Amino acid sequence: KQEVTQIPAALSVPEGENLVLNCSFTDSAIYNLQWFRQDPGKGLTSLLLIQSSQREQTSGRLNASLDKSSGRSTLYIAASQPGDSATYLCAGGNQGGKLIFGQGTELSVKP
Amino acid sequence: DAGVIQSPRHEVTEMGQEVTLRCKPISGHNSLFWYRQTMMRGLELLIYFNNNVPIDDSGMPEDRFSAKMPNASFSTLKIQPSEPRDSAVYFCASSLETQYGYTFGSGTRLTVV
Repeated sequence: KQEVTQIPAALSVPEGENLVLNCSFTDSAIYNLQWFRQDPGKGLTSLLLIQSSQREQTSGRLNASLDKSSGRSTLYIAASQPGDSATYLCAGGNQGGKLIFGQGTELSVKP
Repeated sequence: DAGVIQSPRHEVTEMGQEVTLRCKPISGHNSLFWYRQTMMRGLELLIYFNNNVPIDDSGMPEDRFSAKMPNASFSTLKIQPSEPRDSAVYFCASSLETQYGYTFGSGTRLTVV
């Protein structure tokens, strides 16, 4: 059974810092891994999707990596901004489409 | 595209009442998912459909919960009778083949008093 864990649960950084959010999963037979952003009281916005055959994906200041052998994914945010403050969720997917979510990392970027 | 549309945005109901949540997926998407989010348990998959057929309903907590997808453009999640512990945000998501990722709706915040 797939379990997804995110560390840390909360993170506070000053504006401009580069930061890394961590995600680990127990089942290496993962089909894909997706990172989402959730603002308070809002839905989830998809940030990056990494297929099992890929090692990383990049979008603007965001870079996500996937290491199936170690059961880990990271989300790297470069030059953080106050607008990046949100909860970041990773989710591991199987081939049938089922996504298992981590509990999220609540990020606060201070001006 | 208007994205995944959920209604209502907020629902307050009394214990014992029937609640129906609605979802319109993105046109052309062939998979639809219902999730529930609470502070204690995070995001939990309740049920998902592929080509309008329920594939996995193992996350549906009790027989009080039921979901239907009568056609490719509409799905409902029904709770009957509702209980205070059902209070949560319910999200619907759709995808076109899982390799393209999910799109989530804005959710329905359900409060059962």
